[in-house]
Amino acid sequence: NAGVTQTPKFQVLKTGQSMTLQCAQDMNHEYMSWYRQDPGMGLRLIHYSVGAGITDQGEVPNGYNVSRSTTEDFPLRLLSAAPSQTSVYFCASSGLAGGRETQYFGPGTRLLVL
Amino acid sequence: GNSVTQMEGPVTLSEEAFLTINCTYTATGYPSLFWYVQYPGEGLQLLLKATKADDKGSNKGFEATYRKETTSFHLEKGSVQVSDSAVYFCALSYNTDKLIFGTGTRLQVFP
Repeated sequence: NAGVTQTPKFQVLKTGQSMTLQCAQDMNHEYMSWYRQDPGMGLRLIHYSVGAGITDQGEVPNGYNVSRSTTEDFPLRLLSAAPSQTSVYFCASSGLAGGRETQYFGPGTRLLVL
Repeated sequence: GNSVTQMEGPVTLSEEAFLTINCTYTATGYPSLFWYVQYPGEGLQLLLKATKADDKGSNKGFEATYRKETTSFHLEKGSVQVSDSAVYFCALSYNTDKLIFGTGTRLQVFP
């Protein structure tokens, strides 16, 4: 199993550009989520999904969109990047079988918005 | 609201020293408590967890006890190694998929 994979690993954007951060898991997990990690602030939940076709907002959703068309994939879209979105982004998943609260994290995407 | 507070780092220790990283929480009811570890350049991974009061989670020589009376879940290890150098996150959850994280504590262990 590859677990949770994220692409790209690094990305530099200019203000106003758009991009999609990819996340995929091969553990058949129902739950997937996106966090951002900023210095001194820990991880903050952006969006999450409890299953295909179902998404909801987390703590810091503004400026981000998500969709969940399949169980495996949960892309995060930045429609118009801003410098405040410079951060490290982590995707995570969990499943009923392993305990919903135990989340598996991807390696992260480091994003710099100029 | 629910929150997690961790001691600020970095925590700097020599190899084989005793480690304590403090974590306290504010929550209503009875959350589950977690320690996640992030090694350099990697994502977070679960280190240990406890789901009810007085439970002790343990893994890789690390331990933490769920103390309801002091709302704490301090992480301890009797003898740290250089390979333990990482960022440690305390977190809580209410039997859901959503985790609330502390700000993280960086541990640096020197030979």
